[in-house]
Amino acid sequence: QAGLTQPPSVSKGLRQTATLTCTGNNNNVGSQGAAWVQQHQGHPPKLLSYRNNNRPSGISERLSASRSGNTASLTITGLQPEDEADYYCLAWDSSLSAWVFGGGTKLTVL
Amino acid sequence: EVQLVESGGGLVQPGGSLRLSCAASGFTFSTPWMDWVRQAPGKGLEWVANIKPDGSVKHYVDSVKGRFTISRDNAKNSLYLQMDSLRAEDTAVYFCAGAIYGDSVDYWGQGTLVTVSS
Repeated sequence: QAGLTQPPSVSKGLRQTATLTCTGNNNNVGSQGAAWVQQHQGHPPKLLSYRNNNRPSGISERLSASRSGNTASLTITGLQPEDEADYYCLAWDSSLSAWVFGGGTKLTVL
Repeated sequence: EVQLVESGGGLVQPGGSLRLSCAASGFTFSTPWMDWVRQAPGKGLEWVANIKPDGSVKHYVDSVKGRFTISRDNAKNSLYLQMDSLRAEDTAVYFCAGAIYGDSVDYWGQGTLVTVSS
């Protein structure tokens, strides 16, 4: 089952803005939207954004999600050291009847 | 407070079986879809299976179809994953997760490690 495409790594400086991307197709991201989770080493994932781009309670306003066509994006402004983590997108694929994940992006805050 | 606590992981030989459990609390367990997601050592996340609130619909990733079975007992607030014919490539941390308050998996357990090796 083909997954979503994410860049393996992104590096940005402290207090800068990072935009992470996630590309799928018309059966998943394009029609169903994409959610985003964050995972710190040794910890379970944490949801950052629902498929409708809304943030769960307690998630920083520095994070915002959007979608254009088959590509979803997660933007993090004012980068902090604690933002350094792995970020995964996920979407429901209506043709596969399965959730598909991206390969993950490792965000490094310099 | 929402809590998902997995158990049942361990070391098993190739071809063997294991049953994972997930005890849920802090929300109405009979309401949301529930999922199992796994992560092989040093690798990314892979969705494994999910189950409708009433247990009537189940979906699986292709690699586990015919070998794994997801189930739930809403009276016991528990989710299960029966894993048969285990292979080395099934070695991973298995997370229980649920779309409890929204349309995506918004709560995750701490995970339980399954190691398939002789």
